[in-house]
Amino acid sequence: AQSVSQHNHHVILSEAASLELGCNYSYGGTVNLFWYVQYPGQHLQLLLKYFSGDPLVKGIKGFEAEFIKSKFSFNLRKPSVQWSDTAEYFCAVNRANTGFQKLVFGTGTRLLVSP
Amino acid sequence: DAGVIQSPRHEVTEMGQEVTLRCKPISGHDYLFWYRQTMMRGLELLIYFNNNVPIDDSGMPEDRFSAKMPNASFSTLKIQPSEPRDSAVYFCASSSGLAGTETQYFGPGTRLLVL
Repeated sequence: AQSVSQHNHHVILSEAASLELGCNYSYGGTVNLFWYVQYPGQHLQLLLKYFSGDPLVKGIKGFEAEFIKSKFSFNLRKPSVQWSDTAEYFCAVNRANTGFQKLVFGTGTRLLVSP
Repeated sequence: DAGVIQSPRHEVTEMGQEVTLRCKPISGHDYLFWYRQTMMRGLELLIYFNNNVPIDDSGMPEDRFSAKMPNASFSTLKIQPSEPRDSAVYFCASSSGLAGTETQYFGPGTRLLVL
């Protein structure tokens, strides 16, 4: 079965610090990869996704993620965080090219950005 | 677009009572998902529907849980009888398309507390 690991459960940063959140998945086939974010009191929403092409994907609000197939990783990055980035971040994966909609989520990383 | 609508937003009930959670997906979306979020297990897929038909219910914890989708604009998740360990946030999400790369749009969630 697929699984997704997010090793950092809580991250605390100061504004303007750089961010990297780790995500590793366990599935040997082709995958689609997603990062979702849940701001305090809001719905989960998509930050970015990868399914083919350039392994460096750019999303909303200055976020990007890099798919490294050899490492089964899809780490999320942002060069300079803002207080408004305080949220919980979820990595998710599903099997590609199967029409299989089932997303498997990681346990999430809570990011707190102090002003 | 109103987005995915869930009701109620909060539910407090006593052990043994029946609980019904409701979801209205985004119009035109043909996939509907029910997730449960807990501190211990993160975000888990319970069941998903395609064109009102249940496709994968392997995440439904036990027979106390049931889900229906009588039409394209409405779905319910029922717990009968409820237990304290069912306390969680239940999310509904919807999407469209077959590829598996589509974004899932989440509702605001129902926060359930079983006493």
